[in-house]
Amino acid sequence: GNSVTQMEGPVTLSEEAFLTINCTYTATGYPSLFWYVQYPGEGLQLLLKATKADDKGSNKGFEATYRKETTSFHLEKGSVQVSDSAVYFCALRGHNAGNMLTFGGGTRLMVKP
Amino acid sequence: GAVVSQHPSWVICKSGTSVKIECRSLDFQATTMFWYRQFPKQSLMLMATSNEGSKATYEQGVEKDKFLINHASLTLSTLTVTSAHPEDSSFYICSARDLGDGFQYFGAGTRLSVL
Repeated sequence: GNSVTQMEGPVTLSEEAFLTINCTYTATGYPSLFWYVQYPGEGLQLLLKATKADDKGSNKGFEATYRKETTSFHLEKGSVQVSDSAVYFCALRGHNAGNMLTFGGGTRLMVKP
Repeated sequence: GAVVSQHPSWVICKSGTSVKIECRSLDFQATTMFWYRQFPKQSLMLMATSNEGSKATYEQGVEKDKFLINHASLTLSTLTVTSAHPEDSSFYICSARDLGDGFQYFGAGTRLSVL
């Protein structure tokens, strides 16, 4: 079945540091890949997505590139801010019945001033 | 953008009572909605998939008589936690799949505290 593995947190960074959150996946065929962000006490917001190999999703300074050869979709940001502190979930949507999202375990990011 | 409204955002109830949570897609139609449960510092656990006009499909281990789901229209699904107990306290999140672009959009979540 489909699965998503992402690095365990928490990840603690200083403001303006470079961020990488690793995400790898297992799926048949060509899934769509997503990053969601969850701010404290809130639901999930779609951060960015990529629907085919070599696509780069980007939003709010965050980027992730769909790498089929390494089955990865690592999230990066060049300079994090305190307001980026949240939990980040990597997810995939396969082409199986129901087309449901499969989530990774989430990575908590804490950015200190 | 597609917006999913979830209500209430926070509810406190006494043990033994029932609580209804609403999930509405505000500017799109959704034949499929999903209900998730999230424990503190953990990922989302899919509870059930709700299809408009038909019975919900529950994940293994989720009690269908405990968590009643109704998807009466293309824009509304409800989750009723029946005879709630303290162990049902959790963060419940709904998601709706946009018929137009096929993507899932999430509500803000409902924090349920059962005393």
